[in-house]
Amino acid sequence: DAGITQSPRHKVTETGTPVTLRCHQTENHRYMYWYRQDPGHGLRLIHYSYGVKDTDKGEVSDGYSVSRSKTEDFLLTLESATSSQTSVYFCAISSTSYGYTFGSGTRLTVV
Amino acid sequence: ELKVEQNPLFLSMQEGKNYTIYCNYSTTSDRLYWYRQDPGKSLESLFVLLSNGAVKQEGRLMASLDTKARLSTLHITAAVHDLSATYFCAVDMSTGNQFYFGTGTSLTVIP
Repeated sequence: DAGITQSPRHKVTETGTPVTLRCHQTENHRYMYWYRQDPGHGLRLIHYSYGVKDTDKGEVSDGYSVSRSKTEDFLLTLESATSSQTSVYFCAISSTSYGYTFGSGTRLTVV
Repeated sequence: ELKVEQNPLFLSMQEGKNYTIYCNYSTTSDRLYWYRQDPGKSLESLFVLLSNGAVKQEGRLMASLDTKARLSTLHITAAVHDLSATYFCAVDMSTGNQFYFGTGTSLTVIP
């Protein structure tokens, strides 16, 4: 979607390796989010940020960390990837008036 | 525990027929959003409902919100194949500006 990009789009990694996913926005939104999407579970919140260096945990935060050193960038790190973290990851920005705008997603496979 | 429940989870319907998808949520909120997701794609915003009694229509889709009943509906009129997708509702709980998603309704429209 315009204004929010994720990278990479696809990644295959081995169990135990660290992985970082990047979300970049050009909308200057305060709030940014990382969700994972799995069949039968819908979207589940991993972490979110409400400003530079201000982050908080979501529903499924174990095994994940985040950082936000600039308004426009929100990074999601899997410190030691496991097979249970194989998923599609979506970044989002939000406003009350418009709801969420999602990035295109990152399909991560941990082998 | 907060719950957002959609039903049905799977819906197969013939072209030209009408049907309704339901979204129930377990706590007070005045803001609800509907999204559409095509296979392998990101989520696209359909409707933003920001008050009790809100009704929005776009083409063959109409969404409504009853905050007293904690219920939103997405009504499909005279379905066409192009409406085949997964539909999600999301509720804004105004806690950290977080949205909570239903598990989605997978809609297949059969010619």
